[in-house]
Amino acid sequence: GAVVSQHPSRVICKSGTSVKIECRSLDFQATTMFWYRQFPKQSLMLMATSNEGSKATYEQGVEKDKFLINHASLTLSTLTVTSAHPEDSSFYICSARDVRGVTQYFGPGTRLTVL
Amino acid sequence: GNSVTQMEGPVTLSEEAFLTINCTYTATGYPSLFWYVQYPGEGLQLLLKATKADDKGSNKGFEATYRKETTSFHLEKGSVQVSDSAVYFCALSESYGNKLVFGAGTILRVKS
Repeated sequence: GAVVSQHPSRVICKSGTSVKIECRSLDFQATTMFWYRQFPKQSLMLMATSNEGSKATYEQGVEKDKFLINHASLTLSTLTVTSAHPEDSSFYICSARDVRGVTQYFGPGTRLTVL
Repeated sequence: GNSVTQMEGPVTLSEEAFLTINCTYTATGYPSLFWYVQYPGEGLQLLLKATKADDKGSNKGFEATYRKETTSFHLEKGSVQVSDSAVYFCALSESYGNKLVFGAGTILRVKS
């Protein structure tokens, strides 16, 4: 149990286009989902906390208009990278916390490459 | 603020060697502590956790004990395997289930 999926696993796009990444909790309901960014050989940086049915809370330094987060249901959150540029290339990982508020479960990550 | 400090890697061991990866933390209140493992090209998997002082988390032969007096949560395994090669992250959550603060990660390489 406690499986989190992400789609797509890899995406390559041209500079200036927008990319949507989906995060789904497959066998549990997640009131809260988190989006992280991981640079090569570095730790995870929390970008935002997403609560179902409300606006996401962004960490300091993360552009809200650049990284749009939607958490429309208890099993789905999406991250849209708008007008992507090469510096947005990274590994994006989501996690989901179940409704009981215990452990975060992580998705397998999405590798974004912007040309 | 809250922070997690891990020993720098990479750590290179021979198969069946004893493993210790040090982790210390700074936090207000009483955090929950976690070890996550990341295999190449994959996301993070929860390895073990402890929610209060003196708790011992264990899984797949790995262990870590929550030491409040030394603010530590060192990861240990008695006999590592090649398949344990991965990046290990120590993390804390100030409120159980709340956002996680990660250490920098420690690369473990196990040679046969």
